[in-house]
Amino acid sequence: DVKVTQSSRYLVKRTGEKVFLECVQDMDHENMFWYRQDPGLGLRLIYFSYDVKMKEKGDIPEGYSVSREKKERFSLILESASTNQTSMYLCASSFPQGGNQPQHFGDGTRLSIL
Amino acid sequence: QQQVKQSPQSLIVQKGGISIINCAYENTAFDYFPWYQQFPGKGPALLIAIRPDVSEKKEGRFTISFNKSAKQFSLHIMDSQPGDSATYFCAADAGGTSYGKLTFGQGTILTVHP
Repeated sequence: DVKVTQSSRYLVKRTGEKVFLECVQDMDHENMFWYRQDPGLGLRLIYFSYDVKMKEKGDIPEGYSVSREKKERFSLILESASTNQTSMYLCASSFPQGGNQPQHFGDGTRLSIL
Repeated sequence: QQQVKQSPQSLIVQKGGISIINCAYENTAFDYFPWYQQFPGKGPALLIAIRPDVSEKKEGRFTISFNKSAKQFSLHIMDSQPGDSATYFCAADAGGTSYGKLTFGQGTILTVHP
């Protein structure tokens, strides 16, 4: 089975801190994605990566950056955390486009910014 | 134009009843329409998907109906069970050079009473 592992289930940080969320997948997927999930808003794409060191902005990239130094690992960085970034963060991975490959999700990191 | 609108936001159904969730889209470049199911504390998982060259796809108790001219698609859950209680997301993929990016609906919280 595909496994997407997010390093923390729950995380509490302070306003202004630099926050790192880590995601690792074990299926050699080229594509990796970071979403945030908020009630009534669904899943909104923050950033995605289609190859090592490649990244593209999603719909809500402001206040975030990403890093993909290895194929299996995709990190989301909150440069200076703010309270409006309190949310559930979900990482996903998939094979490349072509055949409409399903995305496989981790179980999420619930991040609280105080 | 990238938006996918999902309704209702929440749905309560009695055991054995039919659950219906609707989605509408604007972008005619979308060519793949998956539904994801999310249980509490877990990430979303692919439930069923359809391409616009068919009007219906059935897998067990789950059926997607697709109306290309109206740009609408819906999920029907027959004989709903308490174990179906979850959050459901519709999504759409534009194919081509979209890198497998999905645009998600806002989600529907389904509760099936025993």
